[in-house]
Amino acid sequence: DAGVIQSPRHEVTEMGQEVTLRCKPISGHNSLFWYRQTMMRGLELLIYFNNNVPIDDSGMPEDRFSAKMPNASFSTLKIQPSEPRDSAVYFCASSLSYRLQPQHFGDGTRLSIL
Amino acid sequence: RKEVEQDPGPFNVPEGATVAFNCTYSNSASQSFFWYRQDCRKEPKLLMSVYSSGNEDGRFTAQLNRASQYISLLIRDSKLSDSATYLCVVNQAGTALIFGKGTTLSVSS
Repeated sequence: DAGVIQSPRHEVTEMGQEVTLRCKPISGHNSLFWYRQTMMRGLELLIYFNNNVPIDDSGMPEDRFSAKMPNASFSTLKIQPSEPRDSAVYFCASSLSYRLQPQHFGDGTRLSIL
Repeated sequence: RKEVEQDPGPFNVPEGATVAFNCTYSNSASQSFFWYRQDCRKEPKLLMSVYSSGNEDGRFTAQLNRASQYISLLIRDSKLSDSATYLCVVNQAGTALIFGKGTTLSVSS
């Protein structure tokens, strides 16, 4: 069975550039989550969607971050302009429901902003 | 008080040892509880759900104490392959999962 698929696996870019991370959730899952993980802050929830609708984006650090889910099988997280402090591993996860159900994670995107 | 708190460790144990991790949560309305495992440079993976009556999966036993608002994970007969970070995860109705920062386990031969 296909799990959550993220791309790219690694991204290295210079500060000021636009970065777009992509995620394909598990088929049939109604909820999708974007996380950021660093050593200092651990796993932080940025935003999550239910049935393609954003439910809570209070974790998005600032206006430079935006996320979309145009359909049930695709989501993007965009950073524009990127800054060195955005360097982290970004995970996408999906679940049958954001209420009470476990989440399944993709392999993550390792982002380095120089 | 943080919503989900764990002792970061590291816990260093020899092979064959029994080790236990605890996790406390702040919201008494929490309804679902999980343990996730994360290997170095990998994604978190669901290890097991935690049920009110306690549950076991092979060498792993999870317990829930609602009155004291803590969850535990017991690992018996530790293997080298158990070395990882264990994340305590709590869910409240109407919100997404809340992850603890994790407890690091290192099993040595």
